[in-house]
Amino acid sequence: QVQLQESGPGLVKPPQTLSLTCTVSGGSVTSGPYYWSWIRQPAGKGLEWIGRINTSGSTNYNPSLQSRVTISVDTSKNQFFLKLSSVTAADTALYYCARWGTNTGSFDYWGQGTLVTVSS
Amino acid sequence: QSALTQPPSTSGSPGQSVTISCTGTSSDVGGYNYVSWYQQHPGKAPKLMIYEVIQRPSGVPDRFSGSKSGNTASLTVSGLQAEDEADYYCSSYAGSSTFVVFGGGTKLTVL
Repeated sequence: QVQLQESGPGLVKPPQTLSLTCTVSGGSVTSGPYYWSWIRQPAGKGLEWIGRINTSGSTNYNPSLQSRVTISVDTSKNQFFLKLSSVTAADTALYYCARWGTNTGSFDYWGQGTLVTVSS
Repeated sequence: QSALTQPPSTSGSPGQSVTISCTGTSSDVGGYNYVSWYQQHPGKAPKLMIYEVIQRPSGVPDRFSGSKSGNTASLTVSGLQAEDEADYYCSSYAGSSTFVVFGGGTKLTVL
């Protein structure tokens, strides 16, 4: 059973960089055909896809966030990462990591989410 | 504003059926058969309920079914049960650049 777990600071000051880690267990970030994604959800609002990285390290980002987002992977630790720069209060949200299966065209496994608050 | 349009709320009594719509465009819902639905209970992560428009993952009751017509996808929950009360989100693959878009979510209340 694949499990994902987000970790990182719960409070970030503007305009610093938000950094989160997703640790994958029960499966490998190098196994395919999957994409590893970050998704966020502001309180009381809907889901927003942030970006993805595939098993080869190729990335795609939400065009609305592209200039501030970097997603990377450490295969030796079976982890992938999110960096979001120049954060503002609008980036306050619950951040999820999730696995996208290319065979199913869906996010089949999700982490429990981690709340990040942007405040000075 | 979400890319896919869902009604904010819907409700039904136990045993009844409800249908939640998800309207997009020919660039997402209408262009691909990669529509999925997620159930989210308060304080919990989303759970995959339907993928590829009509497919159910193992363990999801067959009371949940999906369909699509043109640019609109739908999720039907039959034989409503109390535990079905949750928020439901649709999503669609939208091409290699945009990748995936979500709906704004629908709160299902079981009366």
